Amino acid sequence: QQQVKQSPQSLIVQKGGISIINCAYENTAFDYFPWYQQFPGKGPALLIAIRPDVSEKKEGRFTISFNKSAKQFSLHIMDSQPGDSATYFCAPKRRGFKTIFGAGTRLFVKA
Amino acid sequence: GAGVSQSPSNKVTEKGKDVELRCDPISGHTALYWYRQRLGQGLEFLIYFQGNSAPDKSGLPSDRFSAERTGESVSTLTIQRTQQEDSAVYLCASSSYRAETQYFGPGTRLLVL
Repeated sequence: QQQVKQSPQSLIVQKGGISIINCAYENTAFDYFPWYQQFPGKGPALLIAIRPDVSEKKEGRFTISFNKSAKQFSLHIMDSQPGDSATYFCAPKRRGFKTIFGAGTRLFVKA
Repeated sequence: GAGVSQSPSNKVTEKGKDVELRCDPISGHTALYWYRQRLGQGLEFLIYFQGNSAPDKSGLPSDRFSAERTGESVSTLTIQRTQQEDSAVYLCASSSYRAETQYFGPGTRLLVL
């Protein structure tokens, strides 16, 4: 029950558009739902995260939506900018246990 | 404050040689993770240390791979008899038990010739 499915694999968005990345999981014991952002040549860094007691969290242009019954959570990037071009990973986990990262989504924002 | 540091930043070795990769986590972080990332690929879990608990070694790809951690400090990932398919970036991350956010180091780029 550690499987994590992330989609799409890649995404091309026009500047100013909305980028949406989805993550589906199986383990109902997960209690922490983060998205990490990775630029080429760098390690991933936390972008935004949510706990299961809320359905949505917004930080600037980034919103994470959580659907507990569907076992899915998603990342929305509003007004996408070329500087958002990066690889995004979901990484749901349960406290005290290892993290399994999604396969990643390569986002390219066209200027 | 200091983040996660890894050394060396780059390592070129010959097939069959042993290599040691080092990770210095953020002070006070009880959890430490090692991941492997091949070019253009995702993060492959290798091993997870949490405090004094037995490490979760379920991601180690073969018995050529091993890792140690001294208390809640430095960790070393050792790859014995390296193979060309071991070429990748090896990333280390640490987190506190309560906060769970993983802080990644810059990685060690390993090239096996």
